[in-house]
Amino acid sequence: KAGVTQTPRYLIKTRGQQVTLSCSPISGHRSVSWYQQTPGQGLQFLFEYFSETQRNKGNFPGRFSGRQFSNSRSEMNVSTLELGDSALYLCASSSRQGGETQYFGPGTRLLVL
Amino acid sequence: DQQVKQNSPSLSVQEGRISILNCDYTNSMFDYFLWYKKYPAEGPTFLISISSIKDKNEDGRFTVFLNKSAKHLSLHIVPSQPGDSAVYFCAASAGVGSQGNLIFGKGTKLSVKP
Repeated sequence: KAGVTQTPRYLIKTRGQQVTLSCSPISGHRSVSWYQQTPGQGLQFLFEYFSETQRNKGNFPGRFSGRQFSNSRSEMNVSTLELGDSALYLCASSSRQGGETQYFGPGTRLLVL
Repeated sequence: DQQVKQNSPSLSVQEGRISILNCDYTNSMFDYFLWYKKYPAEGPTFLISISSIKDKNEDGRFTVFLNKSAKHLSLHIVPSQPGDSAVYFCAASAGVGSQGNLIFGKGTKLSVKP
């Protein structure tokens, strides 16, 4: 069974631009969560989608948004990029909503210049 | 305020010996705990988990112990191998089905020396 895939793997943007990251969950998994990893803050939860609905949201500004499609694939968008948005963005999937083992993709490394 | 704490940023162990990684939590609502292993520039890889109704779970060389009264869990790796060298994250969640987010500790970098 294929794992979680994320595209692109690396991205360089400049301040003020926007970016869209994509995540394809493990086949059959319907829950997708997004996390941001930075050296200072560690791994922090962004949001979770299940059945195309956002079910849970972390403490991030509204510039961070996401969506999920009917095939469970998910995208996250960051608008008006700031230098501090440079991070590894990780997507994780699980078979059902909440509190279960999540399987992570390789991440997208975003660098904002 | 950190709800999941891994107080040791690094740990060095000799090959063949036991590695013990520790994790403390503050939220008594947490009922499911996981350990992930992470290499640089890769996503975390799930290792082992434990539900709050248990105090021990074993999977091969990996054993997780949970002490609910102390709000403490630990991961034992026996015997340690050089390939185990990575950053280990402890994570917790509250309420199966109610929240889809994991709360992570800051990680412990394990170095296993040949």
